[in-house]
Amino acid sequence: NAGVTQTPKFQVLKTGQSMTLQCAQDMNHNSMYWYRQDPGMGLRLIYYSASEGTTDKGEVPNGYNVSRLNKREFSLRLESAAPSQTSVYFCASSPLESPNTEAFFGQGTRLTVV
Amino acid sequence: GQQLNQSPQSMFIQEGEDVSMNCTSSSIFNTWLWYKQEPGEGPVLLIALYKAGELTSNGRLTAQFGITRKDSFLNISASIPSDVGIYFCAGLSSNTGKLIFGQGTTLQVKP
Repeated sequence: NAGVTQTPKFQVLKTGQSMTLQCAQDMNHNSMYWYRQDPGMGLRLIYYSASEGTTDKGEVPNGYNVSRLNKREFSLRLESAAPSQTSVYFCASSPLESPNTEAFFGQGTRLTVV
Repeated sequence: GQQLNQSPQSMFIQEGEDVSMNCTSSSIFNTWLWYKQEPGEGPVLLIALYKAGELTSNGRLTAQFGITRKDSFLNISASIPSDVGIYFCAGLSSNTGKLIFGQGTTLQVKP
């Protein structure tokens, strides 16, 4: 019962480099989310995918792109990393198919851009 | 855009004391969730609320879904050192699938 799996757990990038953060869930959930967490800022929504085939911008989408590859996988791409993107990134998923729903989180990816 | 305002930002209390925190929004949500996060980990769900006015308990934790659907409250009774962490409220709109979080309440408990 893996739940939500994020890779990598840690990453250091140089300014201008690109990378993709991977997220997979094995709970057959419809919705998936990407957040970034910075001290004192809580969890800010970057992008989300309410269902397979759809993606929408959250609160802080600039500098990021996403792909909902299939129902299981939702990736986050940084095309040209900037120091302001140094953060902890969390992926989450939710069934979102009934009034009774909740979101489950991965362990996070700690990204440093130098 | 939508915002959740969570307060207080931090609390430093004595073991045994009760704790209250709340979350307010300018928007209506049909689900409110309360999470706890410990250092180096992802948030873990504590309580989920699905109906306006609902009051739900999980051990020493009690949470309420506000009647207006724009707010929620979390109470922790008789705090213990392992309650230390960051507590987040979250509002979910099942119509759009959007899930947004408050800024968090950092709780420290002095033994």
